[in-house]
Amino acid sequence: AQTVTQSQPEMSVQEAETVTLSCTYDTSESDYYLFWYKQPPSRQMILVIRQEAYKQQNATENRFSVNFQKAAKSFSLKISDSQLGDAAMYFCAYRIPYGGATNKLIFGTGTLLAVQP
Amino acid sequence: DTGVSQDPRHKITKRGQNVTFRCDPISEHNRLYWYRQTLGQGPEFLTYFQNEAQLEKSRLLSDRFSAERPKGSFSTLEIQRTEQGDSAMYLCASSLELVGETQYFGPGTRLLVL
Repeated sequence: AQTVTQSQPEMSVQEAETVTLSCTYDTSESDYYLFWYKQPPSRQMILVIRQEAYKQQNATENRFSVNFQKAAKSFSLKISDSQLGDAAMYFCAYRIPYGGATNKLIFGTGTLLAVQP
Repeated sequence: DTGVSQDPRHKITKRGQNVTFRCDPISEHNRLYWYRQTLGQGPEFLTYFQNEAQLEKSRLLSDRFSAERPKGSFSTLEIQRTEQGDSAMYLCASSLELVGETQYFGPGTRLLVL
């Protein structure tokens, strides 16, 4: 069964600094998608970034980038120039492509990121 | 695009009562998902609809839980004979049937069973 592990329950970063959140996953599939979602306190979950496993190039969205290591089954999120609004719970998630046995997202337990002014 | 909406946002009920939640997906999205999130955990999948057909159900979805999407638009999730262990955030997400689809989440319904 596929699993997603986030080993850092909490992280802290100074405003304007860079922080990296870790995620590892386990799967026997060769093609899949990986996501980072952000859940601010009492607000809805929004997509931060998405990575297709067949793409070797790491995804980037403005200040957010990933380090995708397929062989190591590692998918970390780097937040550059951290801002106060980045404070949130961050979830790593996995799913297999459309048409597979399931369409569900499998989530990790999350990393709570605090941003210090 | 008004986003995924859920109603109510909060629900307090007594053990043994029935509750029903509603989810309105993004208008053109044909796929709809329900997840449950307990404190300190990531969301866990409950069920999935493609149009009006319920195509996948988790073992978490006991026989006290039922979900419908009668016209392929909004969906309802009903919990009968609620138990204290049902207390959680119930999240709805929707997506468009495309390769590499992204699921967009609603704000959730927070249920407290006393």
